Formats: sequence, structure tokens, C-alpha cells
Amino acid sequence: QQQVKQSPQSLIVQKGGISIINCAYENTAFDYFPWYQQFPGKGPALLIAIRPDVSEKKEGRFTISFNKSAKQFSLHIMDSQPGDSATYFCAASRIKSGTYKYIFGTGTRLKVLA
Amino acid sequence: DVKVTQSSRYLVKRTGEKVFLECVQDMDHENMFWYRQDPGLGLRLIYFSYDVKMKEKGDIPEGYSVSREKKERFSLILESASTNQTSMYLCASRGGSSGSYEQFFGPGTRLTVL
Repeated sequence: QQQVKQSPQSLIVQKGGISIINCAYENTAFDYFPWYQQFPGKGPALLIAIRPDVSEKKEGRFTISFNKSAKQFSLHIMDSQPGDSATYFCAASRIKSGTYKYIFGTGTRLKVLA
Repeated sequence: DVKVTQSSRYLVKRTGEKVFLECVQDMDHENMFWYRQDPGLGLRLIYFSYDVKMKEKGDIPEGYSVSREKKERFSLILESASTNQTSMYLCASRGGSSGSYEQFFGPGTRLTVL
């Protein structure tokens, strides 16, 4: 019940295309859903995050879509660029519990072809 | 900018050695975390600390211990290193309850146990 399932494991997209990464969770107590981006040799960095009171959040070319009833959320990268090539992790947390622990998905390695 | 530094980028140790991984953050954050990152498994929480001298087990604490004697420093200890502890180790920190929920990661330490 604590798992966050992420798919696909890897993704290849042409420049200008849309990249879509999906995550699903079981624990309905999760109330914070961030996406992290990790470049080779670097630690992960927060890309965008959403709370369950909204169904969508957009920041530039990055959008999170959230489906509370299906317990799923996804990251959409519009107009994908070679510089977006990285590993992406979704995560879920119970902010109200006060511990701020994250449960991470297994990661998606994205490659955007020039 | 928040900065999380880790004492080593690469470390090679022998089976049975005691290993110390150090993490320092410069933003006066209350919460600090140790994760290990393995291909196909994502980031898994080993231990976290929400205050000086306070610690809690994460999802995979076996074979590890931690120490937090000062607010800015969180150490991960492998009492007797084993080959299955070969991994990338990531430290993260997060501000207090009035801050954001974002975790800031260090660059990681790639540990190889021979």
C-alpha cells in the first residue's frame, strides 16, 4: 500500500514531441505528489508538484495531471527538447503526518532525440 | 541557494570495513534524509532525522545506522560493509513545518564494496 508504481521504465521521444510518464498509488492518505528530475552525475531536483485538491498544474512545458478517483498522476512534457533528457521520478508523501517522507517511483529514463 | 554537500563523490571499500558517509546542509533545515538509489528500484529511504539527535528508520534500515549531532550534519554509517551495499547514496534536506515540502538533494556518493 506504500508503493508508487511508475511507468514506463524508459522512453524515447523525438524533439518537439510530448513525453508522458505515469504513476499510480494505493494509499489514499498521500497528499503531496512531486516530480523530480535527475541529470547524470547530479542529485534529483524538484521539477513540479501537486496537491490532490487540483486536477492539473502547469509550469512552462511541464504539466502534472492528477486523477484522484483513479489514484493516478502523470507528467506531461510538451515540446520535448534534448535538454530534457534525464531520469524522472514521481513521489508521494503524507504531508499531514508531519514526517515529510517521500515514497519514490522506480524512475523513467527519458531520451529526447535531436 | 540551498546547498547539500556530501563528503565524497566516489568511495571504494572492502567487505567488513566500517564506512562513514557525511552530509552537510547550509540552510538550517530540520529534516534530513538518506536514500540509496539502485537501477530499477528508484530511491529508497534508509533513515531520516527530523531534529538533532532524533532519527527514524526508513524503508530499508538494515545494515545501516545514522548520527545527527549537529543540525547541519547527518552521517550514514555502514557498520560492516557488504557487497550488496554497493550503490549510489543520496542525502537530502528539507525545511521545517512552516517551509515548503521540497527536499533538496546532494550530488550523491557512489559506493563500491569489494
